[in-house]
Amino acid sequence: NAGVTQTPKFRVLKTGQSMTLLCAQDMNHEYMYWYRQDPGMGLRLIHYSVGEGTTAKGEVPDGYNVSRLKKQNFLLGLESAAPSQTSVYFCASSPLRGGTEAFFGQGTRLTVV
Amino acid sequence: RKEVEQDPGPFNVPEGATVAFNCTYSNSASQSFFWYRQDCRKEPKLLMSVYSSGNEDGRFTAQLNRASQYISLLIRDSKLSDSATYLCVVNGNTNTGFQKLVFGTGTRLLVSP
Repeated sequence: NAGVTQTPKFRVLKTGQSMTLLCAQDMNHEYMYWYRQDPGMGLRLIHYSVGEGTTAKGEVPDGYNVSRLKKQNFLLGLESAAPSQTSVYFCASSPLRGGTEAFFGQGTRLTVV
Repeated sequence: RKEVEQDPGPFNVPEGATVAFNCTYSNSASQSFFWYRQDCRKEPKLLMSVYSSGNEDGRFTAQLNRASQYISLLIRDSKLSDSATYLCVVNGNTNTGFQKLVFGTGTRLLVSP
């Protein structure tokens, strides 16, 4: 019963470094999402994917890239980290047809110094 | 105006009390509504979906008022374990027509002995 798994759980980066966050789901869901959560801002959608090989921008995509080469994996990349990207990142997935319940990973706490 | 608005609280209530949260949404075309629960430093988890006719799950009752565009959550006989942040979630459209979930910033509930 793994559900949605995110790695790593914690990371500290220096400004300008790059990293990739991995999200894996074993529920055969079509839709996957990356959110960031900041105090007082709620969850904001960064990028999403409606199926293998497809990605699209959410409301705060700048500074991030994503890839969905396999249905079960959704990668979030930071090419050149900035302190403004310090946040908690959540990956989620949902079955076909958007707007249904989303299942979340445990989150990744990223600090950029 | 935010797509989904909630009172951030905190709501401080004693054990056994009844507490209600409201949430308003701006997209009149929204079709799916949910309440999620988020414990401190954890991922959001679905508490319950909200149906047009209203629905109940044990001590929790959710209601939807489409005319006024608001959703409510009522918790009866509050327990210490109900202390958490409650997120109102509504589906909304993206430019591609994909229906994404829009999260409120959450209402914090603190139940004391």
